[in-house]
Amino acid sequence: GQQLNQSPQSMFIQEGEDVSMNCTSSSIFNTWLWYKQDPGEGPVLLIALYKAGELTSNGRLTAQFGITRKDSFLNISASIPSDVGIYFCAGQNYAGNNRKLIWGLGTSLAVNP
Amino acid sequence: DAGVTQSPTHLIKTRGQQVTLRCSPKSGHDTVSWYQQALGQGPQFIFQYYEEEERQRGNFPDRFSGHQFPNYSSELNVNALLLGDSALYLCASSLAWASGANTGELFFGEGSRLTVL
Repeated sequence: GQQLNQSPQSMFIQEGEDVSMNCTSSSIFNTWLWYKQDPGEGPVLLIALYKAGELTSNGRLTAQFGITRKDSFLNISASIPSDVGIYFCAGQNYAGNNRKLIWGLGTSLAVNP
Repeated sequence: DAGVTQSPTHLIKTRGQQVTLRCSPKSGHDTVSWYQQALGQGPQFIFQYYEEEERQRGNFPDRFSGHQFPNYSSELNVNALLLGDSALYLCASSLAWASGANTGELFFGEGSRLTVL
């Protein structure tokens, strides 16, 4: 199935470091969503972006909707051990009742205390 | 406010059997989508239900079918199970466009882990 290009695939960082990951697509989306998934759990929505160029923060998380509408990035500042998990980007062409999400393969984050 | 609930959480089936997974959407939500997530992969869209009808479908065979009930809950049925159907099946709920509070955001349940032997 269709998937987005998400990088890096995995990261191993020290507690307190900042993290950056990004997602690109060959097609345009009008919505970008960032989710975090812990083992054995469903994805949990972190940030939703609806406008090209939009920069949105949620605590230590900041995400931006790329101007071209084909990319997005997520930054995590001052990482802590509970940030460990898999982060997924998802693109959506939200119109009418369309809710289909196209997902990246995920960025696996490990934080060394 | 109850979130998305799915059942069962884990189940084991053998090839050729049939399985039914269940989902109750978040309170106030009327649209249910189903995703399949293989190990190490991102979720893949199976289909979406709104007003008790399948509205969109991903690239999955007819062995995958679903249903939505008047209370917005939903079932995913998979017939003639294959080994490759082993995955985490995620249900997501959202609001339909017509509800006017449309943000496109999907809220996920914890998933049903299906193992086919």
